[in-house]
Parts: sequence; C-alpha cells; structure tokens
Amino acid sequence: DSGVTQTPKHLITATGQRVTLRCSPRSGDLSVYWYQQSLDQGLQFLIQYYNGEERAKGNILERFSAQQFPDLHSELNLSSLELGDSALYFCASNSLGGGRDTQYFGPGTRLTVL
Amino acid sequence: QKEVEQDPGPLSVPEGAIVSLNCTYSNSAFQYFMWYRQYSRKGPELLMYTYSSGNKEDGRFTAQVDKSSKYISLFIRDSQPSDSATYLCAMTGNEKLTFGTGTRLTIIP
Repeated sequence: DSGVTQTPKHLITATGQRVTLRCSPRSGDLSVYWYQQSLDQGLQFLIQYYNGEERAKGNILERFSAQQFPDLHSELNLSSLELGDSALYFCASNSLGGGRDTQYFGPGTRLTVL
Repeated sequence: QKEVEQDPGPLSVPEGAIVSLNCTYSNSAFQYFMWYRQYSRKGPELLMYTYSSGNKEDGRFTAQVDKSSKYISLFIRDSQPSDSATYLCAMTGNEKLTFGTGTRLTIIP
C-alpha cells in the first residue's frame, strides 16, 4: 500500500458527461501528479500541483482541469467526455515535487465512457 | 519519435530464466532513471532507481544505464511467477517523469 488513495475505483459514464476523480496524497507529501494510462499511449503525465499551486503541465486537454485543496487532496475534473477518454487515471505524490524524487502511485480510477 | 522507446512485448519466459528488459531514449537531459513494476489493476510501484551510468543491484534485480548509448536495462535473475507484471521504465532531468509504454512480462511455472 503506497499511502495514496483514489476514489472512485471505477466510473462508468456516457459521452458528453462530466466526472470528478479524487486523490489523497501520502501523509506529508505536498506534491500531487495526475497521469492517464491507456493501452496504446502508456502512462501520460497530465498535470502536477505543489502545495496548492500548479507546477507543471503535460498533455492535458482543455476539457480537463485539476486543483489541489488546502488539505492537499486533489481533484481531476473531466468534462465533455469522449469515448477516447476511457482509460486508467492515476494519481501520484511525493514530498519535494522534483521529478527525480520518487513518486508513489495510488491504485487508480478506471473510467469507462460509453 | 517518442522520447522513450520500450518494447511492449508481451514477453513470456520459463520460471528460473534471466529476463532482460530494455528502453532507449533520445533526450540527453535525462539524468535519473527508474524502473516501475505494475501488477494488473494496480498502480505502478518503484522497483529500481539509478542516477549514474553503470550497474545497480538489488537482490535478483539489476539496473544498468549506458548514457553514451542512451540505453537502460533491467535484468531479473531466477525469475519467479510473482515477477509477472508490466515493467515501465521512467526517466527525468528533474522535471516531469517520462515513461516508456511498459513491457508485459509473464513467468511460466
């Protein structure tokens, strides 16, 4: 168990809908990362927050947004969902926020868009 | 061309065999190299972490980095059925972590 929690485990929704994925980092970790994992693209970095502020952005679509709250939990909002958004979404955390610092991954949220 | 290339497999080997997993990369800024293991329906977990060129050993696992060739490897000795998983290489220059697509490995008892 990495100490990172994600809810929900599974999410099934329809095209055009909006969903929110939630992540709680390990105790003491200030940085949260979001990744999307699909069969053909592998693990793709979406966005990073550090102590409430956006620190880095990856291949995140404009339909997607995220935030980190004062208690350091983070939410990833996905809107106007398309079939191609079906994937596993992982959250990871570390304490210092540097790329070379070990990231601890949560169990993921499996999103299915029908 | 992707920054990190990894053969997706799948790779099946008999129990006890030596497994070799590899990644190549194109970005010279990458200085830190990692191998993550991901069991089915689980999140990735860090297996090995290396910085300099050369070998690093941890039990049955050896990570090898050749910066001159931009090539990294993970060797698993005396492979066990419990080693069956997807192995992802990852690397960074201290900004975002860039992952390979992962190699799915099955160890056959």
